[in-house]
Amino acid sequence: SAVISQKPSRDICQRGTSLTIQCQVDSQVTMMFWYRQQPGQSLTLIATANQGSEATYESGFVIDKFPISRPNLTFSTLTVSNMSPEDSSIYLCSVVGTGGYGYTFGSGTRLTVV
Amino acid sequence: GDSVTQMEGPVTLSEEAFLTINCTYTATGYPSLFWYVQYPGEGLQLLLKATKADDKGSNKGFEATYRKETTSFHLEKGSVQVSDSAVYFCALREGYQKVTFGTGTKLQVIP
Repeated sequence: SAVISQKPSRDICQRGTSLTIQCQVDSQVTMMFWYRQQPGQSLTLIATANQGSEATYESGFVIDKFPISRPNLTFSTLTVSNMSPEDSSIYLCSVVGTGGYGYTFGSGTRLTVV
Repeated sequence: GDSVTQMEGPVTLSEEAFLTINCTYTATGYPSLFWYVQYPGEGLQLLLKATKADDKGSNKGFEATYRKETTSFHLEKGSVQVSDSAVYFCALREGYQKVTFGTGTKLQVIP
């Protein structure tokens, strides 16, 4: 299965600033997703990162707050903009490889906003 | 839409006890089913999966059988260890769509 490198692994940020999280995969993948896991909660899908076009956002998430890029089949970024303490979460990149059911998660970025 | 319901935790067991974590799902088609595990301070790892009815996924002594008639995918282990302490998420996916997760069940195994 694909191996995902997600950076940074953790960060502490000031409110009002932005943080960009990178997701690098060691092979070309069909689908890339960004999830959020708020403290003590399950995972919620933020958006599907589409190669060469705008990301597809889930209800409750907007591009201005969570801009996403996916310039090729192995790389994507998620930016958390104008952060507030409510954005403190773990953010995870996930991919589906070519050939179907393999579904891999990155190790996550633990974000704390102060 | 798709949904996953799993038993609330925390579940506290003594070492070598039998574990069952219940999971049921609702889906419009024929999903693939997964169990993910999240150890303290770590990311999410795929524990096991099943892609069609009656399939049994297994890994590290854990098992789960895809039961279409009861729309269930219960996680079991015959003898848990302290190192199994983690949060377990049941999940489903239809085709190449997003994964839908349950709320997670925290397992604590005491010596």
